[in-house]
Amino acid sequence: ETGVTQSPTHLIKTRGQQVTLRCSSQSGHNTVSWYQQALGQGPQFIFQYYREEENGRGNFPPRFSGLQFPNYSSELNVNALELDDSALYLCASSFLQGAISEAFFGQGTRLTVV
Amino acid sequence: AQSVTQLDSHVSVSEGTPVLLRCNYSSSYSPSLFWYVQHPNKGLQLLLKYTSAATLVKGINGFEAEFKKSETSFHLTKPSAHMSDAAEYFCVVSEGGKLIFGQGTELSVKP
Repeated sequence: ETGVTQSPTHLIKTRGQQVTLRCSSQSGHNTVSWYQQALGQGPQFIFQYYREEENGRGNFPPRFSGLQFPNYSSELNVNALELDDSALYLCASSFLQGAISEAFFGQGTRLTVV
Repeated sequence: AQSVTQLDSHVSVSEGTPVLLRCNYSSSYSPSLFWYVQHPNKGLQLLLKYTSAATLVKGINGFEAEFKKSETSFHLTKPSAHMSDAAEYFCVVSEGGKLIFGQGTELSVKP
């Protein structure tokens, strides 16, 4: 167990809808990152939040947005869902301070867009 | 930009035989490298990490990896495969706090 929990575990949405995925970080961690893992692919970096501010973004459109709260939990919001958004969404928490630190991953949310 | 290339999409071994999963990296400076494992319908678990302290890195479950700068490689090995090692393995490089994953290598272990 990594101490990182994600909800829900599975979700089915219709194209055009909006979705919110949630992540509870490991205690003491100040950084959360979100990744999209399409079937048969490696995870792709979406964005990272450090102390409630966006701290880097991958090659994803603006309809992918996020929030990090004072307790370091986080949300990933996706608007105007497309079929290609179907994937496993992974949250990773870490303690970022200078040197690279280990990232702990949650179990993921499996999103299916129909 | 940094990147990693996993040279095999699928590796099949017999139980009790050695495992070798190959990874090459591309980086303009000394990278931070990781190997993660993903069992079916599970999240990612860190096997080991290299952060320039020692070139031979030992991880969990008997896995180890050797950083070779001259070959820009970070191959993962295990002397003897167990059935429970069957999973997807990812070689990962860290860039500014974000993780860049390879495409993954699926390891199958035959009885």
